[in-house]
Amino acid sequence: ELKVEQNPLFLSMQEGKNYTIYCNYSTTSDRLYWYRQDPGKSLESLFVLLSNGAVKQEGRLMASLDTKARLSTLHITAAVHDLSATYFCAVDHGGATNKLIFGTGTLLAVQP
Amino acid sequence: KAGVTQTPRYLIKTRGQQVTLSCSPISGHRSVSWYQQTPGQGLQFLFEYFSETQRNKGNFPGRFSGRQFSNSRSEMNVSTLELGDSALYLCASSLQGGAEAFFGQGTRLTVV
Repeated sequence: ELKVEQNPLFLSMQEGKNYTIYCNYSTTSDRLYWYRQDPGKSLESLFVLLSNGAVKQEGRLMASLDTKARLSTLHITAAVHDLSATYFCAVDHGGATNKLIFGTGTLLAVQP
Repeated sequence: KAGVTQTPRYLIKTRGQQVTLSCSPISGHRSVSWYQQTPGQGLQFLFEYFSETQRNKGNFPGRFSGRQFSNSRSEMNVSTLELGDSALYLCASSLQGGAEAFFGQGTRLTVV
């Protein structure tokens, strides 16, 4: 059974600092996603990582995927308050279906 | 381009009642997946429909059911509601199996 572990669960950081969120998964998968969720809102797609070594960057966020280690990271550079949200990684169960297994989420609070 | 539309946005039901939630996917998308989000269990996969056929099902009791129509719109039904069914129900649509999923705004169900 595919399991996805995400850490930390909660991250409080100051503006301008850097930090990394980690996402480990238990079985082979070719597709990994990162989503952002603001309070009371839906999931916003941030990154789609499809192959080993994939790296994608958007603004202050950069995501990478190591399929051999079954690890993805979401790196935050010079955090700003607007990045405060809950971040989820999700691993596709595989095959030609759409079944995402989500991590527990990381609540990021960026303090001014 | 219109996104994924879920109706209603909010719903309050009494224990023992049943409820039907609706999801209209992005035009052209044929895969619709449903997820339940609760503070205790996080985001959990309910089921996926593709071309009117259920292709995948999560570990939920038979009280949870769904269907998809020929225009790809999907409905999910929960019968004999329990307090624990209170959750945010999210629908996601994809072009096809294994493609990126886009989420709707969700339906917030409260069972009293």
